[in-house]
Amino acid sequence: GEDVEQSLFLSVREGDSSVINCTYTDSSSTYLYWYKQEPGAGLQLLTYIFSNMDMKQDQRLTVLLNKKDKHLSLRIADTQTGDSAIYFCAERRGTALIFGKGTTLSVSS
Amino acid sequence: DGGITQSPKYLFRKEGQNVTLSCEQNLNHDAMYWYRQDPGQGLRLIYYSQIVNDFQKGDIAEGYSVSREKKESFPLTVTSAQKNPTAFYLCASGMRGTGYTFGSGTRLTVV
Repeated sequence: GEDVEQSLFLSVREGDSSVINCTYTDSSSTYLYWYKQEPGAGLQLLTYIFSNMDMKQDQRLTVLLNKKDKHLSLRIADTQTGDSAIYFCAERRGTALIFGKGTTLSVSS
Repeated sequence: DGGITQSPKYLFRKEGQNVTLSCEQNLNHDAMYWYRQDPGQGLRLIYYSQIVNDFQKGDIAEGYSVSREKKESFPLTVTSAQKNPTAFYLCASGMRGTGYTFGSGTRLTVV
């Protein structure tokens, strides 16, 4: 199948906002997800958005969905050093989740 | 607390050996999944199971086998036919619409 695309790296300074972008493939996907992975660990679900929504906000996290362009973004406000991790977007395709390759976020103090 | 447990955390395999990775969940999730993670490759789906005694191949099933005899358990066997098994293996379980819960992973190394 086609790939879910993400940029591979993002570097920001502590206190700045981070925006991680993702392009998905299936316009009929009902749910889209953002996961966080810290070194040597499994994936932690950060947030998800239903396809009939344009935006979802959860504390420092804002998810924007552009269905026309099949574009998903995750904005992290006031980025902290503890936010340094790999971030994966995923779309539901059939009964399984298909993941992008992940964006490594590096936060410098 | 409910969760999903993978064991062992680290596993070493000699060439030609079969090894089995354990995955157990007490979340009462119907569906369970195995993914393989390689550096720069993201997660690739190996096998998944939506109900007991039923499972389907994912994108990279060759050299792997699974069973689903109990709802709570979904072990993955890496067979000698898998030519490049060194990777980080992640198990997940889920219900439709709620995303997955992941285990903490097993790192398999061929020695």
